[in-house]
Amino acid sequence: QQQVKQSPQSLIVQKGGISIINCAYENTAFDYFPWYQQFPGKGPALLIAIRPDVSEKKEGRFTISFNKSAKQFSLHIMDSQPGDSATYFCAASIRGNTPLVFGKGTRLSVIA
Amino acid sequence: DAGITQSPRHKVTETGTPVTLRCHQTENHRYMYWYRQDPGHGLRLIHYSYGVKDTDKGEVSDGYSVSRSKTEDFLLTLESATSSQTSVYFCAISSPSGGRYEQYFGPGTRLTVT
Repeated sequence: QQQVKQSPQSLIVQKGGISIINCAYENTAFDYFPWYQQFPGKGPALLIAIRPDVSEKKEGRFTISFNKSAKQFSLHIMDSQPGDSATYFCAASIRGNTPLVFGKGTRLSVIA
Repeated sequence: DAGITQSPRHKVTETGTPVTLRCHQTENHRYMYWYRQDPGHGLRLIHYSYGVKDTDKGEVSDGYSVSRSKTEDFLLTLESATSSQTSVYFCAISSPSGGRYEQYFGPGTRLTVT
């Protein structure tokens, strides 16, 4: 049973456009939702994270939108750049003392 | 890579041989994790540790064992490697306290079982 469903699997966006990646979760006990960015040959790197007490968190060009009632959260990358081309993973955990459950990833390609 | 090293970084081994991967951290974090990454599956948890000598199984633990005798080291052993264990293995650390749940990953080990 996949606890975190991520879509789309792959995404192609024009430079300067908005990239949107969506995740849905099933376990209402989840209370920590991070996004990771991974470049080829590297380990995943924490990009941005949100707790369910807020509906949105913004860091630079990256924004997480969180909808608790729908059990969904999404990553928005504004003004997408070729350097943003990477694989993005959403994840969820409970109170930080349980391991993260990951979505299957989205491969983003930003083309000029 | 947040003070995490993995060794070896690449390994080719034959089916049926034992293999041990090492994760070393300099951050004194309490929690350590082993994940495997495969195309189409994302990151899947193999085992994790919440303290010295305290470990628990993850989603895909069959065929793997772990040990943690020191805070800084977490070993993953494939008792008898199989081709299905060809993968990229990532170690991660975290120190969930004070509302901070960040988990940081190492650079990975690419294992090929022939």
